[in-house]
Amino acid sequence: GAGVSQSPRYKVAKRGQDVALRCDPISGHVSLFWYQQALGQGPEFLTYFQNEAQLDKSGLPSDRFFAERPEGSVSTLKIQRTQQEDSAVYLCASSLVELIANTGELFFGEGSRLTVL
Amino acid sequence: RKEVEQDPGPFNVPEGATVAFNCTYSNSASQSFFWYRQDCRKEPKLLMSVYSSGNEDGRFTAQLNRASQYISLLIRDSKLSDSATYLCVVNDRGGGYQKVTFGTGTKLQVIP
Repeated sequence: GAGVSQSPRYKVAKRGQDVALRCDPISGHVSLFWYQQALGQGPEFLTYFQNEAQLDKSGLPSDRFFAERPEGSVSTLKIQRTQQEDSAVYLCASSLVELIANTGELFFGEGSRLTVL
Repeated sequence: RKEVEQDPGPFNVPEGATVAFNCTYSNSASQSFFWYRQDCRKEPKLLMSVYSSGNEDGRFTAQLNRASQYISLLIRDSKLSDSATYLCVVNDRGGGYQKVTFGTGTKLQVIP
C-alpha cells in the first residue's frame, strides 16, 4: 500500500510478556517517529529515527522499551516485561524529509492498540 | 509544565457557529507549528501549518503569536463533519535533529 502500515493492529498481552510492534513507513521516507497515545490524551513522543540512526530516544519511558530501524526502512518497537501502564495505542509516523519544518506533514499509520492484562 | 498545552474541552457548538482553540508552548525557540486533526479511533492527519503572518484555508484560520508563545485555530461556519480532536503540534530543532511534540488535543463536537 501507499501509506504507513503498522502491525499488529490489536495486541493483547499478559503482564510480563514481551511484545514487538512493526512499522512499515512510506517507501523512501527518511524520518520515522514512534508515539504512545493513551486514551483521551495526545500522542506522546517516544523516539525518532533519521534513516537507520536513532537520533532521539528521550521519550522511551523505561529500559523495557527498545526501538530499531536497522536498514532505514521498517522499524520495530519492542516492549519487554509489559506492564498494565503500557496499555495504549502506539503510533508510527514517517516523513519524506529530514526536517518537517519544510512540509509540516507526518504521515501516520493506524496504530497498534496494546492491551496488557 | 507540559511543553505544549491545550484545553481538552469538549467544545460543544451548534452548526454554523464560530469556534476558536488556543495552544501554548513552552520553548521560545520552537520553529514550526501545525494543527492536526484526529477523528475518533483514527490516526492524526495534518490540517494546516501555522505561519508567523497567519494563514487561512477555507473556513480555517491559524495564527501564531511568538511573543506570547501561543497559536490559535479559528473555525468558521462549523459543520457536523468538523467534529474531531484538534491537536496542536510544535517542531523544535536541537542538536542537529528535530523533535515533534503534540498537545493533548481539544475535542470539538458540532451539534445539529
